[in-house]
Amino acid sequence: DTEVTQTPKHLVMGMTNKKSLKCEQHMGHRAMYWYKQKAKKPPELMFVYSYEKLSINESVPSRFSPECPNSSLLNLHLHALQPEDSALYLCASSQGGTGGSYEQYFGPGTRLTVT
Amino acid sequence: KNQVEQSPQSLIILEGKNCTLQCNYTVSPFSNLRWYKQDTGRGPVSLTIMTFSENTKSNGRYTATLDADTKQSSLHITASQLSDSASYICVVDGNNDMRFGAGTRLTVKP
Repeated sequence: DTEVTQTPKHLVMGMTNKKSLKCEQHMGHRAMYWYKQKAKKPPELMFVYSYEKLSINESVPSRFSPECPNSSLLNLHLHALQPEDSALYLCASSQGGTGGSYEQYFGPGTRLTVT
Repeated sequence: KNQVEQSPQSLIILEGKNCTLQCNYTVSPFSNLRWYKQDTGRGPVSLTIMTFSENTKSNGRYTATLDADTKQSSLHITASQLSDSASYICVVDGNNDMRFGAGTRLTVKP
């Protein structure tokens, strides 16, 4: 099973809402990633979890809060977002973290619209 | 400044033709270079990963090359198919510092 699943596929939320994005993998990977991707732009790295610990936070605003409850699950909690946060949010996993030649497997993404 | 630059920005070719996409980088230190294919609205899919010591790697009709001295990579697509229409993204991993290129948008026409 080389699949990374993400839910929901689409999410529309208001600026005062609180919502969460979920990512799951069952490949035994120890690194998991959140990316944000705007239209016609490459993905931008947001967070990296390595062995369930946050190892990289690319200066992401606090309205995005990641959580790694266990080695298979990665959540992204959203609160008080802005319309410019509308984007495709991609989750990925790899056997090891950055710096090693580990293949990254991406999920299909969650299309987020903030109204 | 660690950067990854891809060219061309977009490319249109006829089905069955070959094409080559370019990636130049200034990322240092260097760990590995990756090529991804991304269909619109989908997550990227890995095509190749190359380390410093590798100068070519193939995955079916896709062949990537790496010149670590000049810090250049290319992705060659042979006998293109309509399903090759996608964005191709070059990513350079420099030890906890993954840098993405802006991508090349490839359109294959019948």
